[in-house]
Amino acid sequence: ETGVTQTPRHLVMGMTNKKSLKCEQHLGHNAMYWYKQSAKKPLELMFVYNFKEQTENNSVPSRFSPECPNSSHLFLHLHTLQPEDSALYLCASSQDALRRGNGYTFGSGTRLTVV
Amino acid sequence: GDSVTQMEGPVTLSEEAFLTINCTYTATGYPSLFWYVQYPGEGLQLLLKATKADDKGSNKGFEATYRKETTSFHLEKGSVQVSDSAVYFCVLFWGYQKVTFGTGTKLQVIP
Repeated sequence: ETGVTQTPRHLVMGMTNKKSLKCEQHLGHNAMYWYKQSAKKPLELMFVYNFKEQTENNSVPSRFSPECPNSSHLFLHLHTLQPEDSALYLCASSQDALRRGNGYTFGSGTRLTVV
Repeated sequence: GDSVTQMEGPVTLSEEAFLTINCTYTATGYPSLFWYVQYPGEGLQLLLKATKADDKGSNKGFEATYRKETTSFHLEKGSVQVSDSAVYFCVLFWGYQKVTFGTGTKLQVIP
């Protein structure tokens, strides 16, 4: 149990589908993150939320839409994806996005395949 | 710019062999240094960390020492096991909202 739970673990979706990834943490952290991990590429930071407010969006295409209703939950809404969006999507949390010296706690990820 | 450089993998070792995975960094200021491990099909797990020069992080038989003079944070283990097979990431947390991940080094331990 890592403290950060992601669902679903695996997702296969067509390019015209709409789906959502969910992330939940009960560590009392105030910051949550979405990362994309593709084969042969470094981890890519997608979005950062600090105290429910989005503080970073690293030029992510609009077909990815994050939502953070409270400090414990983070969603990634997906629509009209492309095959190159197939990857492992990792959620992470930390005490505070402004000072990350204590590191992150990661979830187990959602393996997304776009067909 | 700020960066983390890890040795290219994969690294293949026999069980009980000595492990070193090199990590060097460039950064302004005084970063905190971390090693994360990713087992197959899983997310990243914190393995160990060091927050200032000369600190040694250790966990599960793994060690790494924060060397400011050589800007390095090499990961070592005296005797690896098959269960240590995973991808290891060196990570730099520095400055204001700054995080830099290494590209990861895959370790394969054979019986």
